Amino acid sequence: KQEVTQIPAALSVPEGENLVLNCSFTDSAIYNLQWFRQDPGKGLTSLLLIQSSQREQTSGRLNASLDKSSGRSTLYIAASQPGDSATYLCAVRGGKLIFGQGTELSVKP
Amino acid sequence: KAGVTQTPRYLIKTRGQQVTLSCSPISGHRSVSWYQQTPGQGLQFLFEYFSETQRNKGNFPGRFSGRQFSNSRSEMNVSTLELGDSALYLCASSLARTSGGEQETQYFGPGTRLLVL
Repeated sequence: KQEVTQIPAALSVPEGENLVLNCSFTDSAIYNLQWFRQDPGKGLTSLLLIQSSQREQTSGRLNASLDKSSGRSTLYIAASQPGDSATYLCAVRGGKLIFGQGTELSVKP
Repeated sequence: KAGVTQTPRYLIKTRGQQVTLSCSPISGHRSVSWYQQTPGQGLQFLFEYFSETQRNKGNFPGRFSGRQFSNSRSEMNVSTLELGDSALYLCASSLARTSGGEQETQYFGPGTRLLVL
């Protein structure tokens, strides 16, 4: 049974810092891994999708990596801004989309 | 292009009642998936519909059911509501099936927040 774990559960950083969010999964037989952002009381916004054959994806200040063999992914956020404050969720697809519990990020001005 | 819409946005029901939630996907999208989000269990997959057929199902009791119409709009029904059904129910749409491993990005709606008293 696939399990997805995100560490840390919460993170508070000052504006301008570079930061890394971690995601690990137990079953490497996945089609892809996605990172989402969720603002309080809102739905999810897809940030990056990494196919199983890829090692990383970049979008603006975001960079996500995938290491299937070790069951790990990281989301790197450069030069964080207060507007980045949200919960970040990773999810792996192996038929169904299985989500981690999320990392709640707070960026202080 | 309009995003995924869900109605109603908020709902209060009592135990034993039933509820129907609605999801309208992005125009042209044929796949609709439903998820339940609770503080304790996080986000959990309920089911996916594609071309009016259920393609994949999560580990939820039979009280949870759904359907998809020819225009790709989908409804989710929960019968005999329990307190534990209180949650944010999210709908997501994509162009093609996602349960088969296709590299499709899902677009999520704002959710319906259900409170069962």
